[in-house]
Amino acid sequence: GAVVSQHPSWVICKSGTSVKIECRSLDFQATTMFWYRQFPKQSLMLMATSNEGSKATYEQGVEKDKFLINHASLTLSTLTVTSAHPEDSSFYICSATPLGTIPDSPLHFGNGTRLTVT
Amino acid sequence: LAKTTQPISMDSYEGQEVNITCSHNNIATNDYITWYQQFPSQGPRFIIQGYKTKVTNEVASLFIPADRKSSTLSLPRVSLSDTAVYYCLVGGITGGGNKLTFGTGTQLKVEL
Repeated sequence: GAVVSQHPSWVICKSGTSVKIECRSLDFQATTMFWYRQFPKQSLMLMATSNEGSKATYEQGVEKDKFLINHASLTLSTLTVTSAHPEDSSFYICSATPLGTIPDSPLHFGNGTRLTVT
Repeated sequence: LAKTTQPISMDSYEGQEVNITCSHNNIATNDYITWYQQFPSQGPRFIIQGYKTKVTNEVASLFIPADRKSSTLSLPRVSLSDTAVYYCLVGGITGGGNKLTFGTGTQLKVEL
C-alpha cells in the first residue's frame, strides 16, 4: 500500500516551454504533498509544500511564479515548470503521507521525473 | 529542524555487516529518526524508523542511544543490490505533513 505515482517519468522540452508533472497518491489520500528537486550527485532539496485546497508554501529561493503548484484534490498535486530553461533540468520528486496517520509517519515517494530542457 | 551529519561514502563487500552512523545533536523531543534508501534515478524508499533504543525489521536494524544525538543503521550481510545512497532524516510533523530536510546522505558501495 501507500503508493505514490509520478508522471511522466522523464520529459524533454525546449527552452521557453512549460512542463507539467503529476504526483498522485494511488491508494490513500493526502492533504499535504512535498516537491523536491535533485541535481546529479546531490541530495534532495525541498522546493515546496503542496496543500490541498490552498496555496503552496515555497522554500526560500524557490520562485513561486516559475514553479506553479496545484493541489486540487486529496490524491493529486501538479508541478508546472513555466518557461523552462536548461538550468531547470533536474530530477523532480514528490512525496506524501497518508491522511490521518500518526505524526512522523514515513513519507512515501514517487519515482521521480527526469526533466531535460534543451 | 535537526541537521544531520553522515559519512559521505562507505565501501563494503558482499556478506559483510554495514553500520552507518548519523549525528543529529539538535534533535527535538518529538522528532523521530527515519532512514531512506535511494537508487539512481529513483525516489527514496523507506527503510526503517525509530524514536529510541532499537528497532528491527526484515531489512535493517536501527540503534538509537539514550541521548538520541546519533543513530546507527545496521544492514546485515549486504549484497551488491544494497549499493545505494542512504539518508538519515530527523523531523516532526509540520502543518499536517512531515517536512523533512535531506542531508548529504551516505553513498554505500558494495563489491564482490
